[in-house]
Amino acid sequence: AQRVTQPEKLLSVFKGAPVELKCNYSYSGSPELFWYVQYSRQRLQLLLRHISRESIKGFTADLNKGETSFHLKKPFAQEEDSAMYYCALSNQAGTALIFGKGTTLSVSS
Amino acid sequence: KAGVTQTPRYLIKTRGQQVTLSCSPISGHRSVSWYQQTPGQGLQFLFEYFSETQRNKGNFPGRFSGRQFSNSRSEMNVSTLELGDSALYLCASSLAGGAYEQYFGPGTRLTVT
Repeated sequence: AQRVTQPEKLLSVFKGAPVELKCNYSYSGSPELFWYVQYSRQRLQLLLRHISRESIKGFTADLNKGETSFHLKKPFAQEEDSAMYYCALSNQAGTALIFGKGTTLSVSS
Repeated sequence: KAGVTQTPRYLIKTRGQQVTLSCSPISGHRSVSWYQQTPGQGLQFLFEYFSETQRNKGNFPGRFSGRQFSNSRSEMNVSTLELGDSALYLCASSLAGGAYEQYFGPGTRLTVT
């Protein structure tokens, strides 16, 4: 079965500290993985996708097929990074996104 | 360009009633997906339409249905509402489906009493 697991509901860090939001997936074949973010009172929006291998707002995510993980990382957290983060997997037909339950990141000064 | 719009933004219905929600995608996008968001279950996929055809359906009862029109606008309908249907319903549009960047609307908050 295709599944995305985000083990942490809440992650609290101090400004300037490194951040790692965990995401594990279950999928047969080559997955298409994404991170979506929802800031307070804003719409859910794409943060990054593994296939583009780019860094957005200082965040990176590496696909580890051996560990079936796609953890989101940032070396130095900023207060404006506080948001809900969702890891998502595209189904094999490319017609649906399967989301994890999300992790709330709280960055305090 | 204009983003995804959803109407209405808020809705209160009584158990047993039915409801129709509307979604207008970004111009040029042919795929529209619907998701149910609740605190307990998170974001769950309902269905996806592409060029007026339902390509995929999530694990929801038949009370949940949808359709897409030739202009790519989409509606979803929930019949015989239950208390557990209270949720934020999100619509997302994309060029061609789940593997592409999804652009989300603001959602319709449905409360069933």
